[in-house]
Amino acid sequence: AQKVTQAQTEISVVEKEDVTLDCVYETRDTTYYLFWYKQPPSGELVFLIRRNSFDEQNEISGRYSWNFQKSTSSFNFTITASQVVDSAVYFCALSGPGNTPLVFGKGTRLSVIA
Amino acid sequence: EPEVTQTPSHQVTQMGQEVILRCVPISNHLYFYWYRQILGQKVEFLVSFYNNEISEKSEIFDDQFSVERPDGSNFTLKIRSTKLEDSAMYFCASSEYDSNQPQHFGDGTRLSIL
Repeated sequence: AQKVTQAQTEISVVEKEDVTLDCVYETRDTTYYLFWYKQPPSGELVFLIRRNSFDEQNEISGRYSWNFQKSTSSFNFTITASQVVDSAVYFCALSGPGNTPLVFGKGTRLSVIA
Repeated sequence: EPEVTQTPSHQVTQMGQEVILRCVPISNHLYFYWYRQILGQKVEFLVSFYNNEISEKSEIFDDQFSVERPDGSNFTLKIRSTKLEDSAMYFCASSEYDSNQPQHFGDGTRLSIL
């Protein structure tokens, strides 16, 4: 069975601080895909990144970066120099090969205080 | 940028009534999904749909639920006899080729059962 654990329920940081959101996953598949989605207060789900299990290269996109480590089954997300607009719930998700549904973690609520 | 659109944004319905939630997936996408998020909880998979039939469904998707693609653009979720516990945000998503491409989500329909 697939499982995603986001141990941090809520994080609060002061603007311009760096913050890392943790994601640990469980799967028996050798091919799988990891995702991060952002859910701002308005409620929509915004796709941030997709990573396949064969690509452990870290990725940076502006202030966002992702650290994928298969050895620890983790796919952590770091926001550098956080801003108030980063305040949202962030979900990590996992899917297996083929047309399998996304399995979401419980989310981490990030509050960035000015 | 093309997006998934959902209507209505908020639906209030009396318990026992039927409700239809509507979605227009991205036009060149082939896979369609419904997910549910009870307030404050994680996003849960309901059903996936491909080639005019259900590909996979979760335990939540029982006989009171049905999906349909009535024409070339719309994708609907029907709940036949709503219960209080059906109150949630319902998200439609679509993806190219298969679920291992990023699923793009609509803004959701907030369903409130009275």
